Amino acid sequence: QVQLQESGPGLVKPSETLSLTCTVSGGPISSYYWTWIRQSPGKGLEWIAYMYYSGNTNYNPSLKSRVTISVDTSKNQFSLKLSSVTAADTAIYYCARGATYWVYWGQGTLVTVSS
Amino acid sequence: EIVLTQSPGTLSLSPGERATLSCRASQSVSSSYLAWYQQKPGQAPRLLIYGASSRATGIPDRFSGSGSGTDFTLTISRLEPEDFAVYYCQQYGTSITFGPGTKVDIK
Repeated sequence: QVQLQESGPGLVKPSETLSLTCTVSGGPISSYYWTWIRQSPGKGLEWIAYMYYSGNTNYNPSLKSRVTISVDTSKNQFSLKLSSVTAADTAIYYCARGATYWVYWGQGTLVTVSS
Repeated sequence: EIVLTQSPGTLSLSPGERATLSCRASQSVSSSYLAWYQQKPGQAPRLLIYGASSRATGIPDRFSGSGSGTDFTLTISRLEPEDFAVYYCQQYGTSITFGPGTKVDIK
């Protein structure tokens, strides 16, 4: 059974970079697309970006200038970096397998942006 | 960007009743690329329907999706106690966007 687990700091200061990692177990990271999604009380569910294991990426236009995603096939992990964060970036961040709709999700990790 | 509007915001029903949830798009969703999710507190969303009407693996047949263009519907034929949750629609025809959700609670 495929499992995904997000990890990273739960608290990030304004203007800094949010960095999260998703570790995939129970299956290979290769041959699939991998996605980041977030959920906040104010904006609901929001797709951030997806990436094919070989490097093809697609970003939400509203976040594109601040987002970088990458895959490390040797560690079966993929990562998210969101720069210049503000309080509006406070959310639960999920990783998921797939590009367009998602069966497998991580449990989510809460990231709070605050000084 | 395609904006999805869900109605009603809250649906109060009793177990055994039929639930009809609406999702309307600001422009046509190409190829009926619309999905529905169920979310319970503290959990990630769970995929129910993709392609507007295809049930995901393991989803009971009391859940059904229909619609095309700009109007889509999720129907739960007979509510079970575990079906009380928040339901989201999501389109993936033009970029990816989600609706704000419909909460189905116990009357």
